[in-house]
Amino acid sequence: AQTVTQSQPEMSVQEAETVTLSCTYDTSESDYYLFWYKQPPSRQMILVIRQEAYKQQNATENRFSVNFQKAAKSFSLKISDSQLGDAAMYFCARGYTGANSKLTFGKGITLSVRP
Amino acid sequence: NAGVTQTPKFQVLKTGQSMTLQCAQDMNHEYMSWYRQDPGMGLRLIHYSVGAGITDQGEVPNGYNVSRSTTEDFPLRLLSAAPSQTSVYFCASSYDRANNSPLHFGNGTRLTVT
Repeated sequence: AQTVTQSQPEMSVQEAETVTLSCTYDTSESDYYLFWYKQPPSRQMILVIRQEAYKQQNATENRFSVNFQKAAKSFSLKISDSQLGDAAMYFCARGYTGANSKLTFGKGITLSVRP
Repeated sequence: NAGVTQTPKFQVLKTGQSMTLQCAQDMNHEYMSWYRQDPGMGLRLIHYSVGAGITDQGEVPNGYNVSRSTTEDFPLRLLSAAPSQTSVYFCASSYDRANNSPLHFGNGTRLTVT
């Protein structure tokens, strides 16, 4: 099975510091999409950022950015200036063009933010 | 515009009982899907639909049935609940296959089977 791997089950960061969450994936396709979703205690799934595999430029959304290394099949999420509201579970996911509803998720990482 | 609405939010079933988890979206999305979330497993795809009248199996379809008679609704049926189906269930939808628009999730249903 083609998988998405998040090897760190938990991480902690000091408020205002920067943290990087790791994700690797497996695929034989050249055209695909990668996502990071945030799940706070409310259980809601919130899209944080999206990366198209054909784009060389790393995606950025305010304090959130990715380091996309296509050859290494690596897709890490960097959170800058961490805030207490960033505490949540974060999921990495992979999808394919024309298969919007069929994402493969990693197991998730729980991020805690220390005040 | 309510987005993706799932009902109920919580449910307790006895082994062997049946029930339907409801999912409705008001965004005219083509794609809808059901995932289950278990501790340490992430989200896993149960069934999905690319349009009204079309459904297909995902990674973990056993024990679940779906139908898609309208664009808006995509119910998930448990015909004979088992303790292994204790989980949090998410319905999701998306719009445009060409742009691979992101998934919109419902708020989930926590199901306990005793």
